[in-house]
Amino acid sequence: DTAVSQTPKYLVTQMGNDKSIKCEQNLGHDTMYWYKQDSKKFLKIMFSYNNKELIINETVPNRFSPKSPDKAHLNLHINSLELGDSAVYFCASSQDFRQGAEKLFFGSGTQLSVL
Amino acid sequence: QKEVEQNSGPLSVPEGAIASLNCTYSDRGSQSFFWYRQYSGKSPELIMFIYSNGDKEDGRFTAQLNKASQYVSLLIRDSQPSDSATYLCAVLNRDDKIIFGKGTRLHILP
Repeated sequence: DTAVSQTPKYLVTQMGNDKSIKCEQNLGHDTMYWYKQDSKKFLKIMFSYNNKELIINETVPNRFSPKSPDKAHLNLHINSLELGDSAVYFCASSQDFRQGAEKLFFGSGTQLSVL
Repeated sequence: QKEVEQNSGPLSVPEGAIASLNCTYSDRGSQSFFWYRQYSGKSPELIMFIYSNGDKEDGRFTAQLNKASQYVSLLIRDSQPSDSATYLCAVLNRDDKIIFGKGTRLHILP
């Protein structure tokens, strides 16, 4: 059973389009995240949600909008895609960030290519 | 700017030797420290975590933490070709954010 699953695995699209990436975790965790990994492999946090509540919102263009319908799901919608959005997007989850011992479990990643 | 610094490598180590990976962090209020391994084209996987000063051993892996020097390291004993990967140091800072370093590429030479 996949603990953190995200779809699609690959996403190729034209500039200006709108796309979504979905993430689901079956670990019973309270906290979920979106990370972006650029071409130099730098992994940078974008958002985190704890039990459907937004707790971290890094300096990310407002074209990126996360949505958490329940604590097991965190989706990422991106409007008006730009070339610079090309990267691998990882969803992750952890038990509860407030416990101060965040061990992250990552999904397999979504390779986004904007043409 | 709260940062986590790592040498990007590549670090080449002969098979069977000890690989030593280092990381420094800027936020003195950081609480927890992690090492993730990432194979090419795969997602990061947690291999070690440490909260207190000193050493923590798990199999061939030892994490070392020195909060006074703001320094974390990972030692891999008896290095195997399967240890070849990028190792990401991550720090939970006082803002409850996990900040990653840019990773060190490790090559184990057969």
